[in-house]
Parts: sequence; structure tokens; C-alpha cells
Amino acid sequence: RKEVEQDPGPFNVPEGATVAFNCTYSNSASQSFFWYRQDCRKEPKLLMSVYSSGNEDGRFTAQLNRASQYISLLIRDSKLSDSATYLCVVNGVNTGFQKLVFGTGTRLLVSP
Amino acid sequence: DAGVIQSPRHEVTEMGQEVTLRCKPISGHDYLFWYRQTMMRGLELLIYFNNNVPIDDSGMPEDRFSAKMPNASFSTLKIQPSEPRDSAVYFCASSSAGKGRGEQYFGPGTRLTVT
Repeated sequence: RKEVEQDPGPFNVPEGATVAFNCTYSNSASQSFFWYRQDCRKEPKLLMSVYSSGNEDGRFTAQLNRASQYISLLIRDSKLSDSATYLCVVNGVNTGFQKLVFGTGTRLLVSP
Repeated sequence: DAGVIQSPRHEVTEMGQEVTLRCKPISGHDYLFWYRQTMMRGLELLIYFNNNVPIDDSGMPEDRFSAKMPNASFSTLKIQPSEPRDSAVYFCASSSAGKGRGEQYFGPGTRLTVT
């Protein structure tokens, strides 16, 4: 079983739609969770951290469910510029707090 | 503030040649990571350093790959000899144990093509 699993997509949505991604992680002791965004032929960039209580940053909302070991990302009012691959990331507990494990990403395509 | 800097941005070389990739982490960061990304395998961690010391090199594919960090502001990843299957984008990232929750910041990557 992969440490972090995501649906690869692609998710095709029209502008203005709401879209949600989920990801599951295998290590129940993981403590840090993130969503990164990667544009085509660019580096991954931190989108937001995910906190136990859930957190929101503008149109983006992240949720963590420790009991079920999944993380979600909700994007409201999708923009064309949201088209990218979204990487779910958790810290690798057994190999050091600073080591991160990246999912393979979920691709989002927002169309006019 | 300057982010992670990598050079070269693109490298095309012939099989058997030595390739050296360079990275300058964000000033003050004490962790440095080297990743490789391909369509088939996604983002793979090759090696990481803490305070210039290699901590985990279990992701280094084979002896042809080596990495060094002679000081806090510079690291190299060397492939000798290079092979076509080494073609990939190589990213360097850095983080700080004293700030945040382990977020890593990536450089723009080096796109390596081995013919």
C-alpha cells in the first residue's frame, strides 16, 4: 500500500464550479499535512498546510480526518488559473519529521 | 527573499558523460533535499541533508549517483556515468526545523536529458 494515495484524475470542471479532492495516508502517526500545487513543467509549491481543526484560505478549504486517515481539499468558484496538479503531502514519521511523502497528484482542468 | 536556486536549468548530455547539478538552499534553512520527478515514477526523494550531513540516501538509485553538501549554502548532485534512464527533472528543496511544520520549498528544477 502506498503511503499517500490520490485519485490521479483528471477532474474536468467548468469555471465557477466547486471541486473536492481526497487523499488517504497509511501512517497513523503522521503529524504534518500539506497540499502542494504543481503547474506543468514547474516546481511543486506549497498551497496550504492542513490543520486538525480544518482551515480555509480564500477559496480553498482543507480538512483532516485522523480517524479515517484522509485529507481533503475543496476549491470553490474555480478559476482557469486553478488548473494544475494538486499533491497531497504528509510527513514521514518513521524517517524523520522533516522528510515528506508526496502523493502522485490529482490533476485539475478548469475550462471556460 | 531569494528562494532555492538551482543550476543549470536545462542540461543535455550524452550517455556516459558526467553531470553535476547544483543547488543553493534558502538562507537559514538547515535541511536540504534532492528529488527526481518522472512521469512514470512521480516525485522521488533521492537524499537529504541536515546541517550539511547526509541523513538518508536510501533513495539514491545506484552508485552512479552521489551528492555532497560542503557548506550550508551549496549542494551538488553528480551522476557519473549518465544513462538515458536518468533523464528526468531534478528538484532541490530546503526546509527549516525551527520554523513551520516541515514545509519544503522547491527550486525551479534542472531538466536533464541524456541521449
